[in-house]
Amino acid sequence: KQEVTQIPAALSVPEGENLVLNCSFTDSAIYNLQWFRQDPGKGLTSLLLIQSSQREQTSGRLNASLDKSSGRSTLYIAASQPGDSATYLCAAYNQGGKLIFGQGTELSVKP
Amino acid sequence: DAGVIQSPRHEVTEMGQEVTLRCKPISGHDYLFWYRQTMMRGLELLIYFNNNVPIDDSGMPEDRFSAKMPNASFSTLKIQPSEPRDSAVYFCASSPYPGQTNEKLFFGSGTQLSVL
Repeated sequence: KQEVTQIPAALSVPEGENLVLNCSFTDSAIYNLQWFRQDPGKGLTSLLLIQSSQREQTSGRLNASLDKSSGRSTLYIAASQPGDSATYLCAAYNQGGKLIFGQGTELSVKP
Repeated sequence: DAGVIQSPRHEVTEMGQEVTLRCKPISGHDYLFWYRQTMMRGLELLIYFNNNVPIDDSGMPEDRFSAKMPNASFSTLKIQPSEPRDSAVYFCASSPYPGQTNEKLFFGSGTQLSVL
């Protein structure tokens, strides 16, 4: 059974810092791994998707990496801004069609 | 496209009442998912459909929960009778084919359910 864990649960940084969010999964037989952003009271927005054959994906200031052998993914945010404040969730997609989510990391970027 | 549309945005009901949540997926998406989010358990997959057919409902907590997808543009999640522990945010999501190349999952804004 796939389990997805995110560390830390919460993170507070000053504006301008580079930061890394961590995600680990127990079953390496994934099709892809996705990172989502959730703002308070809102739905989830997909940020990046990394296919199982890829090592990383980049979108603007965001870079996500995937290491299937170690069961880990990271989301790197460069030059953080207050607008980046949100909860970030990773989700692993396995055979059988299930996208399993971690508990999320609540990020606060202070001006 | 307007994205995944859920209704209502908020629902407050009394214990024992029937609750029906609605979802309109993005046109052309063959997969539809229902998730529940709580502080304690995070996001849990309840059930998902492929081409209107339920594929996996192992996440449905009890027989009080049922979901249908009568056509490609509409799905419902029903709770009967509702209980206070069902209070949560219920999300609907759709995707063309979630395991394929770069097909992302798109979420609706959710329904905040409060059962008193």
